Amino acid sequence: QKEVEQNSGPLSVPEGAIASLNCTYSDRGSQSFFWYRQYSGKSPELIMFIYSNGDKEDGRFTAQLNKASQYVSLLIRDSQPSDSATYLCAVNTNAGKSTFGDGTTLTVKP
Amino acid sequence: EAGVAQSPRYKIIEKRQSVAFWCNPISGHATLYWYQQILGQGPKLLIQFQNNGVVDDSQLPKDRFSAERLKGVDSTLKIQPAKLEDSAVYLCASSFGWAGPFGNTEAFFGQGTRLTVV
Repeated sequence: QKEVEQNSGPLSVPEGAIASLNCTYSDRGSQSFFWYRQYSGKSPELIMFIYSNGDKEDGRFTAQLNKASQYVSLLIRDSQPSDSATYLCAVNTNAGKSTFGDGTTLTVKP
Repeated sequence: EAGVAQSPRYKIIEKRQSVAFWCNPISGHATLYWYQQILGQGPKLLIQFQNNGVVDDSQLPKDRFSAERLKGVDSTLKIQPAKLEDSAVYLCASSFGWAGPFGNTEAFFGQGTRLTVV
């Protein structure tokens, strides 16, 4: 079992729709969770981080964390073609180790 | 604020040759990471430094890879000898905070070095 798992996609949504990206992790002691966006040929850049159970909103982005289910998600509202990218979930374990999933490729169609 | 600097941007070598990558993190960032990203996969952590001490190098192939962080600032990653499967983008990242469970470890990435081994 991978430490951090994501659906590889591709996930395709129409412009203006809500895109939902999911991530599960295996280390129950993990405490910090990050979503990065990576455009093709570019480096990852941070979108959001979340530490506490529940929702955290930042503009069109909402991160959701459920530690009991070992599940973290990212919702993108009013999706735009410029949101088309690979979204990487990263988890910091209790020991401070940083692990990425393989990412979900999102395509937003005009 | 200057970002994470990496060099070179691209490198093509033959198998069994050696190669070195350099990284200069954002000033004041205590934590430095080297990741290997193979096409279609997420970044895989090779080594994580906290200042000039190693936090995690469990996935570093130590028979061929080595890394050091001089004086807790810039870092070099070396591969010797290279194999075909080492072809990947090598990403350096840094973060300000303590790399602990509640630390603010938002990582800032450099542009990466694309290595091709032929």
